Amino acid sequence: GIQVEQSPPDLILQEGANSTLRCNFSDSVNNLQWFHQNPWGQLINLFYIPSGTKQNGRLSATTVATERYSLLYISSSQTTDSGVYFCAVMVNTDKLIFGTGTRLQVFP
Amino acid sequence: SQTIHQWPATLVQPVGSPLSLECTVEGTSNPNLYWYRQAAGRGLQLLFYSVGIGQISSEVPQNLSASRPQDRQFILSSKKLLLSDSGFYLCAWSSQRFTEAFFGQGTRLTVV
Repeated sequence: GIQVEQSPPDLILQEGANSTLRCNFSDSVNNLQWFHQNPWGQLINLFYIPSGTKQNGRLSATTVATERYSLLYISSSQTTDSGVYFCAVMVNTDKLIFGTGTRLQVFP
Repeated sequence: SQTIHQWPATLVQPVGSPLSLECTVEGTSNPNLYWYRQAAGRGLQLLFYSVGIGQISSEVPQNLSASRPQDRQFILSSKKLLLSDSGFYLCAWSSQRFTEAFFGQGTRLTVV
């Protein structure tokens, strides 16, 4: 099956710093999403981005489907950005497969 | 607008007891439905998914089963819980193939 790897596994930042999270996948995908899991476990939808670039406030994402990777950019990070960031992909089935996750800690 | 309801939020059950977790979706019809489990500090593992009533695909052989008795209802069950069944269980839906998926609030299950 498809492999979805995220890097880095852990990231520690000071408030105000910028960061880039990466998601690599081993096969062509029909769907790619980025989620933020908050400390209470809730999964928040950030982007639905099978290809191209999208921006939402301080966050933006780019997926290069032909090269099988996606990037999530966080600018001017805040303590509320802390949590785990997941990418998830769907191949030619109805299965949504999650990546390994990046745990982000932002300190004031 | 569409909403997803999942309950209970937390559950503590003894080993060997049965389990029933329910998930319902409002505001859409014929959704794809998913059950995931997340062990402490780990990623999300797909357990079951369903593309229609009575259609269940199982991803991982285990002590759990799923059913979809109605179009917008998805149930996760076990006849006898094991300690290893502890974890955070999440239900999700998407409107059709390859579209954006949305998650419920999750159920934190502790088997003691």
